[in-house]
Amino acid sequence: EIVLTQSPGTLSLSPGERATLSCRASQSVRSSYLAWYQQKPGQAPRLLIYGTSNRATGIPDRFSGSGSGTDFTLTISRLEPEDSAVYYCQQCGGSPPDLTFGPGTKVDIK
Amino acid sequence: EAQVVESGGGLVKPGGSLRLSCEASGFNFNLAWMTWVRQAPGKGLEWVGRIKSKGSGGSADYIAPVEDRFTISRDDSKNTVYLQMSSLKTEDTAVYFCTKVRDPGSFSLEYWGQGTLVTVSS
Repeated sequence: EIVLTQSPGTLSLSPGERATLSCRASQSVRSSYLAWYQQKPGQAPRLLIYGTSNRATGIPDRFSGSGSGTDFTLTISRLEPEDSAVYYCQQCGGSPPDLTFGPGTKVDIK
Repeated sequence: EAQVVESGGGLVKPGGSLRLSCEASGFNFNLAWMTWVRQAPGKGLEWVGRIKSKGSGGSADYIAPVEDRFTISRDDSKNTVYLQMSSLKTEDTAVYFCTKVRDPGSFSLEYWGQGTLVTVSS
């Protein structure tokens, strides 16, 4: 099973600042199988990024993803108050697919 | 607008059974691969299992902790996917989300329902 580790656990930043969230895998992940989600309290997760760097429908361009192999990054270029949420990375590997999520990074907007 | 709506959650005793339903609309359900993801109270996300479209064989896969107790099925005539849960344990307590796989090439989860809470307690 591929284990995902996310850092930092919590990020506290001000509006307009840049947030950099890390997702590290215990073994190499195909870039097409790395996704990011945003979850606000009491809500379902929302797909932000799929295939490492592709924004899902309706996602603002201040969200971007990058990376390869075992190291992936979600960047929020200019934080807005509504970006306060927990962000999860997710990978799918193996056959049959073993789909796992990271533990999440909480982003607080000061 | 595409959406999925879960139902069927509730309180059940350890060892009991429960069937969750997920009704989809706004997309071609026949072609969709569907999954269930759960989230224990205050915890992160855990994938439970998935079912392929009938055209891709219709098979289902599960995580190890549930593979002998849970069954995912689908009724394309009703645009509905089911999660039959039996021999429930307290550790199965969670909000269960139904999701649509964006495409098998990415296996990202495109649409999520609001979830249905399953509480396993005596």
